[in-house]
Amino acid sequence: KAGVTQTPRYLIKTRGQQVTLSCSPISGHRSVSWYQQTPGQGLQFLFEYFSETQRNKGNFPGRFSGRQFSNSRSEMNVSTLELGDSALYLCASSADGPGNTIYFGEGSWLTVV
Amino acid sequence: DAKTTQPNSMESNEEEPVHLPCNHSTISGTDYIHWYRQLPSQGPEYVIHGLTSNVNNRMASLAIAEDRKSSTLILHRATLRDAAVYYCTTATGNQFYFGTGTSLTVIP
Repeated sequence: KAGVTQTPRYLIKTRGQQVTLSCSPISGHRSVSWYQQTPGQGLQFLFEYFSETQRNKGNFPGRFSGRQFSNSRSEMNVSTLELGDSALYLCASSADGPGNTIYFGEGSWLTVV
Repeated sequence: DAKTTQPNSMESNEEEPVHLPCNHSTISGTDYIHWYRQLPSQGPEYVIHGLTSNVNNRMASLAIAEDRKSSTLILHRATLRDAAVYYCTTATGNQFYFGTGTSLTVIP
């Protein structure tokens, strides 16, 4: 079956703008989580959604937000972009339950100039 | 938050076994231990996971210490395609905590 799909793959934005990234999970997966990856900080958890509700949240400012739709597709939004937001944003989906594996998409490369 | 600690980098000769260590001393009793690897310009790929017992699959083996404060990923015969960054993570439900990973270099 199809894997996790993220769009767009690459984008360039200007400081102060906002950006929306999209994620389509593996069919049947109801949990979608988002991660930010930067060279210095590694993979950092942003938030997780399950059944359209944010279930967990990492330590990121309120400029980072997300949502999940009834078909489990998810979007994340970053407002008032800063240069430090330049990163690879990864979406992962999972079936629910303890010990379940998460499956990552290829990511969206965001460059803020 | 359960944190993981891994060496920044390791090297291995091709076709030799590789043991990648990870410390997760603050792990709670219900947290699973997962390993992922990431090739350049790709998202992380699942390798193996376990709770208490050692685990084997076609890609690797996972050895978990009895006190669960550490684990070791074992690649039985390293190939050039195994060169990647390996992440040890602990998971509370679907919230995963990644460290900065170990960059594995495989020498032909």
